[in-house]
Parts: sequence; C-alpha cells; structure tokens
Amino acid sequence: KAGVTQTPRYLIKTRGQQVTLSCSPISGHRSVSWYQQTPGQGLQFLFEYFSETQRNKGNFPGRFSGRQFSNSRSEMNVSTLELGDSALYLCASSAGGLNTEAFFGQGTRLTVV
Amino acid sequence: GDSVTQMEGPVTLSEEAFLTINCTYTATGYPSLFWYVQYPGEGLQLLLKATKADDKGSNKGFEATYRKETTSFHLEKGSVQVSDSAVYFCALSDNSNYQLIWGAGTKLIIKP
Repeated sequence: KAGVTQTPRYLIKTRGQQVTLSCSPISGHRSVSWYQQTPGQGLQFLFEYFSETQRNKGNFPGRFSGRQFSNSRSEMNVSTLELGDSALYLCASSAGGLNTEAFFGQGTRLTVV
Repeated sequence: GDSVTQMEGPVTLSEEAFLTINCTYTATGYPSLFWYVQYPGEGLQLLLKATKADDKGSNKGFEATYRKETTSFHLEKGSVQVSDSAVYFCALSDNSNYQLIWGAGTKLIIKP
C-alpha cells in the first residue's frame, strides 16, 4: 500500500511569489491535514479536509489556503511569500474519524529567499 | 487552550541505557495521546498511542501510560539502541476538532 506522497520535496521561491504544494493520501483515506514545521515554532496545524470540506483551520493568515479534490488529493497554496514561510510542510492522511492514526508524508521543504 | 509540554533536549544516552522522555499536557475533556518519531530527513511516524486513562501504548520496545491524575504520558524504553536516535514528539487530539497539538519535540542521541 503506497504511503502519503508529497510533491515536490524541495522548493526555492522568491519573496512575493506564490507556491502550490501537493499531497496524495493513502488510498481509501478521506482526511488530509497540513502542518508547518519550523525550528522556532515547532509543528503547527494549518488545516484539515475531509471529503472536499475544510473541517478545521489553524491560526495562519489568509495567504495560506488549501483545497481537496474528489479523489482526496489535496493542495495547499501560499501567496505573497515571506521569508518566514520557509519551513517543512507536512501532510498527513487518515481515515477521517476523531483520533484515527495519521500517516505523514516526507514533507516539502520550502525555502523563501 | 490545549497544550503539550515536553522535556527539552537533546537527550544524550549510551547504548543500552534506560530512556525516559517526559510529556505533560493540558486539555479539557478526555484527549487521546500520541508519540511520534521523526528520523532525519523524514516525516513523522506514529510510535504509539493511548485513547483513555490508564491505557498503555507500546511499540518497538517503547511504552507510555496515559496518566490522567498527573496529566502525563511519559515515553520509556528499557534499552536504547543507536538506531533510536531521532526526534520524538508528544501530541494530543482533543476528540473534537480533527487536529493534533504538538509538543516541541525532544532530540534523542544514542552513542555506541
């Protein structure tokens, strides 16, 4: 069974640009969550989608957005990039119930210069 | 709001030593508790979990017991190996909003 796939693995962008990250969950999983990991702030929740609906959103500015498609694949977009957006972005998939195990991808390392 | 506090690292031990990584939490209600591990350059892997008070989660020689009276979920292993070197994260889910709340992570270094 294939795991969670995140693409691309690495990205370098310039301040002011926008970026789209992709996540393909484990087959059969309908929930996808996104987290930002930085040395200073640790792991912070961005948002969670289930069957194309956002069920929860963390405390990030509106520049951060996401969506989920009918095949459960998800994308997150960051517009008007800032240096502080440099981070490892992790995607997790699960069956979708409360407290079900979350399986993480290897992440996308975004560097903003 | 809910929060998780972990002991700061790095924790450096010799191979075959006993490991404890402390984790305490603050939450309303009855959260589920998790330990995840992150190896260098990789994503997070679930190590173990407990969903109610007094549950013991265990995996790969690691154990943690959900202690509601002390709001703790300490990770233990009786004999660590070099391959256990990684960053360990304690996390909780409060059973209502589909997100994990994370501790800061504890880097574990095992020396041969």
